[in-house]
Amino acid sequence: GAVVSQHPSWVICKSGTSVKIECRSLDFQATTMFWYRQFPKQSLMLMATSNEGSKATYEQGVEKDKFLINHASLTLSTLTVTSAHPEDSSFYICSARTGFGTDTQYFGPGTRLTVL
Amino acid sequence: AQSVTQLDSHVSVSEGTPVLLRCNYSSSYSPSLFWYVQHPNKGLQLLLKYTSAATLVKGINGFEAEFKKSETSFHLTKPSAHMSDAAEYFCVVNPGFQKLVFGTGTRLLVSP
Repeated sequence: GAVVSQHPSWVICKSGTSVKIECRSLDFQATTMFWYRQFPKQSLMLMATSNEGSKATYEQGVEKDKFLINHASLTLSTLTVTSAHPEDSSFYICSARTGFGTDTQYFGPGTRLTVL
Repeated sequence: AQSVTQLDSHVSVSEGTPVLLRCNYSSSYSPSLFWYVQHPNKGLQLLLKYTSAATLVKGINGFEAEFKKSETSFHLTKPSAHMSDAAEYFCVVNPGFQKLVFGTGTRLLVSP
């Protein structure tokens, strides 16, 4: 149980275009989902926290207009990288928490974004 | 401030020998502690979690970790390494808020 999927697993796009990444909880309802960014050989950096039906809470230094997060249902959150540039190339990982009473996060397999 | 220190950036072992990955934490609260494993280009998989029920926590794939409050440590061990254990391991603390605090990771290398 507690499986999280991401789609796509990898994407290559041209500079200036927008890319949408989906994060789904497959066998549970996720009241809270998290988006992380991971640079090569580094740890995860939290970008934002989203609760279903609410606006996402962004970490300091993360541009909310560039990284649009939508958590419209209890099983789906999306991250849209708008007007992507090469410096946005990274590994993006989402995670989901099963409920307010638990602090365990289950992670998706990640999405490799390459902006040319 | 809450923090996690993984003392070794790389650990190399031979297949069949014990594994020890070290983690120390700093938390003002009674934290939840986790170990996650990440294989190349994959997401993080939960190995085990400490929540104050028992100081010795058994996880998946033969891994276990012992919570030692006096030493503020949560080291991960496995009696016998397999080649498939080669990966990046993250020690993570939840100090009571909803944000996880990640260690910098330890890369485990397993040689035949």
